[in-house]
Order: sequence, then C-alpha cells, then structure tokens
Amino acid sequence: NAGVMQNPRHLVRRRGQEARLRCSPMKGHSHVYWYRQLPEEGLKFMVYLQKENIIDESGMPKERFSAEFPKEGPSILRIQQVVRGDSAAYFCASSPRHTGGFQETQYFGPGTRLLVL
Amino acid sequence: QKEVEQNSGPLSVPEGAIASLNCTYSDRGSQSFFWYRQYSGKSPELIMSIYSNGDKEDGRFTAQLNKASQYVSLLIRDSQPSDSATYLCAVNRPGAQKLVFGQGTRLTINP
Repeated sequence: NAGVMQNPRHLVRRRGQEARLRCSPMKGHSHVYWYRQLPEEGLKFMVYLQKENIIDESGMPKERFSAEFPKEGPSILRIQQVVRGDSAAYFCASSPRHTGGFQETQYFGPGTRLLVL
Repeated sequence: QKEVEQNSGPLSVPEGAIASLNCTYSDRGSQSFFWYRQYSGKSPELIMSIYSNGDKEDGRFTAQLNKASQYVSLLIRDSQPSDSATYLCAVNRPGAQKLVFGQGTRLTINP
C-alpha cells in the first residue's frame, strides 16, 4: 500500500536553473496539494490540483512557479530560474474526494529538499 | 493575528507525564482540525483529526476541540522519548480545500 511518493528526495540546483519536483498521490486519491517549508518555519500552502485542473493556486508565487497534474503521470511543481530563497523542503500531500464541507485528511509524502547554490 | 497560533516551545516534559499542546485559530467557520507530528528532517505524519466539539481519543493521544473558544488541543499520555518532535496544528480554511498550519510546537520528552 504505497503512500504518497515524491522524487527526487534531494535536489541541488545553481541559481538560474530549473527545478522539477514530482509527486504521485496515494492510490485512490485524486487531490494533490503542494506545500513549502522554509527552514525553521511552518508549512505554507502553495497550490491544490485535481487531474488536469488547478483548483487553487493562491499560495503560489506570481512568477517562476507553476504546477500541473496531468491526466497520466505525477503532479509536477516547476520552479524556473531558481534563486537562493527557493531553498526549502517541498511537500506534496494527497487526499481522497471531498465530502460535504469538510476537509478530508491530507497525507504527506517524504518531501523534496531543494538546495540552490 | 495569525490564522493558526501555537506556542513554539520548546516544551519539555518528563517521561511518563502528560504533554499538553495547544492551538488557537481565528476563523470561526473552520470545520476540520488536524494534528501532525514532524520529526526533524522528516515529513508531517498525521496523529489525529477532529471535527466535532469535545474529546477524541486514540491510544495515548486525545484531541480536544472547543469551537466556541476557537481552541484545539492535543494531550499525550504516558509520554515517551520517541514522542519528542514538532507538533503541527492544521485547520481548514472555510470554503477552500487547503490547510493552514501553525508554526508548530517543539516537544522534548526527558528520560
């Protein structure tokens, strides 16, 4: 019973390069969320996606960041032209289909630690 | 005012005692509340979810919710050194399927 999978677990990029982070949700889950955790800080919501749809991207920086969840394959968080301030842990979470007005439990993947040199 | 507030700690509790972790939230419309545990360098791990006022118990863990006071807590009975971690309180934002996290409380259980 595989949980949420993320890869790579560690990613090193130089300033100006692109970073691609991948997330495969838990089996049976159709909702994916991306969160960022800066050193010594809490988790901050970035984006919420369903298959082929971005539902809420209110936490995404306006520039350089994008996310997708295609019909086939994992969800991708893409950071273009990375800067040192992008260094953080990026966590993906997934949940089953929502019922009523309640938030279904989100289960987290192991995260990708991005280091920008 | 932060949407979700926790005492950052560190909170130090002797082994075998009860650890009490507190969280307040600002939006009265929130309906779903979660406690996650995060070990250093690891990902958040769900401890408990609670949706209704009152207590919810699961093994050594008890979550307490008081919507009138906008307060949610987590009690850990018979604390073990392995409970040493950062505990994150998360609350849903009404009308949006996303969680707002507190800063986390760092808990240390002393043998």
